[in-house]
Amino acid sequence: DAKTTQPNSMESNEEEPVHLPCNHSTISGTDYIHWYRQLPSQGPEYVIHGLTSNVNNRMASLAIAEDRKSSTLILHRATLRDAAVYYCILFFGNEKLTFGTGTRLTIIP
Amino acid sequence: EPEVTQTPSHQVTQMGQEVILRCVPISNHLYFYWYRQILGQKVEFLVSFYNNEISEKSEIFDDQFSVERPDGSNFTLKIRSTKLEDSAMYFCASSDRTGGTKTQYFGPGTRLLVL
Repeated sequence: DAKTTQPNSMESNEEEPVHLPCNHSTISGTDYIHWYRQLPSQGPEYVIHGLTSNVNNRMASLAIAEDRKSSTLILHRATLRDAAVYYCILFFGNEKLTFGTGTRLTIIP
Repeated sequence: EPEVTQTPSHQVTQMGQEVILRCVPISNHLYFYWYRQILGQKVEFLVSFYNNEISEKSEIFDDQFSVERPDGSNFTLKIRSTKLEDSAMYFCASSDRTGGTKTQYFGPGTRLLVL
């Protein structure tokens, strides 16, 4: 599986935007970039995914670099409920999601 | 919004006993998965299931584990003879195939404690 690299932890103030980076320099042409998050004591939760173009949904935006070797998950206005571990996962046609250690996001009130 | 449900939320069992963890996937989904997460560790893939058969399994998924879709709604994970190291959160997930990728939706998990 192609590997992703994320910072271990990040902090952000409540009600401010958060940019969570992910590097994936060995991404293949068919890999989708998926983001999941895991709130404390809960199952992983799908956030967003994209292939080449930037994507928006009600939870977040995904900005994908032109060479696709990196991406950024953007939470436009962080709330306390957004405190979680965020996982960036490359995924196509595989049956399994391979979770790394992700980025632990702390929101400061 | 449709969601994956799992029962029980917590299960305590004695080593060597059989346990069955139950999942109700999202109704129109065709692909089903089990993952586990030992406390403080990563989420690990166990098995995927499609068209009434296992499509992929990990090294963790040995002969003590089995999966079944006994009817049109449930998806179960059975551990035949539990070991202490089976203590973990077990997550079920399901997906359909839209837009060329299989986005997986997870249930809340079953916390299994083997004594």
